[in-house]
Amino acid sequence: AQSVTQLDSHVSVSEGTPVLLRCNYSSSYSPSLFWYVQHPNKGLQLLLKYTSAATLVKGINGFEAEFKKSETSFHLTKPSAHMSDAAEYFCVVRFMNYGGSQGNLIFGKGTKLSVKP
Amino acid sequence: DGGITQSPKYLFRKEGQNVTLSCEQNLNHDAMYWYRQDPGQGLRLIYYSQIVNDFQKGDIAEGYSVSREKKESFPLTVTSAQKNPTAFYLCASCTTTGGSNQPQHFGDGTRLSIL
Repeated sequence: AQSVTQLDSHVSVSEGTPVLLRCNYSSSYSPSLFWYVQHPNKGLQLLLKYTSAATLVKGINGFEAEFKKSETSFHLTKPSAHMSDAAEYFCVVRFMNYGGSQGNLIFGKGTKLSVKP
Repeated sequence: DGGITQSPKYLFRKEGQNVTLSCEQNLNHDAMYWYRQDPGQGLRLIYYSQIVNDFQKGDIAEGYSVSREKKESFPLTVTSAQKNPTAFYLCASCTTTGGSNQPQHFGDGTRLSIL
């Protein structure tokens, strides 16, 4: 079965310290991978996407993610947290269906990031 | 600026009432989607449409209906058959060309509550 798991529902860090938000997927097929951020009462904004051109993907606002096929992981990191990073983050996967048709997105349940001053 | 506009931002429904949520995009995207978001559950797909005059049920379509008469518009009706409609509803759109790594673009959502 195809699925995506965000390992932490809530992560709390101090301002200026590193951020790690974990995401694992399970699939027999090569997925497309995305990270989105959602601020309260707002829609989802794309942070970055994995395009298979490089395993380390750089996104907006200093975030990056590394695709590790052997571990089926796509963890999101940032070297130094800022107060404005406090939000909910979603790991999202799209699996290719049989015949190469584009599948729908599967969303993780989200990780709420808190940033302490 | 190109984007997705959802309206209204807040909506209240009375017992037995149908309500319609608006979603308009000017990104020239073929595909449009409706999601429901509940706390701690991520996003669940209600309906999607890959082309005008065609749409498919998602994972939780019961109690909802949609139409796709124009490329730019994909309204969602929450019918009285939906017994637990209180949620945050998000509309998204996506191009269908360029491969599977094309991201979906989201509106700012409509929060629906029961009176």
